[in-house]
Amino acid sequence: SAVISQKPSRDICQRGTSLTIQCQVDSQVTMMFWYRQQPGQSLTLIATANQGSEATYESGFVIDKFPISRPNLTFSTLTVSNMSPEDSSIYLCSVMWGSKNIQYFGAGTRLSVL
Amino acid sequence: GQQLNQSPQSMFIQEGEDVSMNCTSSSIFNTWLWYKQDPGEGPVLLIALYKAGELTSNGRLTAQFGITRKDSFLNISASIPSDVGIYFCAGHETSGSRLTFGEGTQLTVNP
Repeated sequence: SAVISQKPSRDICQRGTSLTIQCQVDSQVTMMFWYRQQPGQSLTLIATANQGSEATYESGFVIDKFPISRPNLTFSTLTVSNMSPEDSSIYLCSVMWGSKNIQYFGAGTRLSVL
Repeated sequence: GQQLNQSPQSMFIQEGEDVSMNCTSSSIFNTWLWYKQDPGEGPVLLIALYKAGELTSNGRLTAQFGITRKDSFLNISASIPSDVGIYFCAGHETSGSRLTFGEGTQLTVNP
């Protein structure tokens, strides 16, 4: 499987600030995704990170709040902007890899907003 | 959007017992996946299923793709303490569609 490195692994941030999360993959992948997992909940897709073009956002998520970059086939960033306590969650990077297009996940970024 | 109904939500069992959990959908899926998430980690793929009726094992884990293509189950035999975690089912309705997740089953194994 692809090896996915996500950082930071955790952070505690102040309300109103922004945090950028990085995702690095050890192989070139076509599809990269960003998920949010609120405490005790399942995974919710935020957006698909498209290389060379704007990300495709799911309903309820907007670019101004969650800007995403995808400069190449091995790297993406997700920024959580103007944070509030409601943004406290785990944010997960995922890639689709291999001949059977399986999705693999990074270890996640645990964000707490005070 | 499409929801996957996963049950049970939680299970408390004794070490050595067998475990079964399942996922159902109101529509047809063409891929079923089972992931496990340990505390502080991301989901790790356990088993992937691609054909209706397919039965696949991975050590003590066995999963099946229902013949109606609307359900899947995961069995864990002879549970051990390291089986503790959250198990998620997930699936693709069509090739290339977004991955839909179940709500998860929290498994606790008492030594």
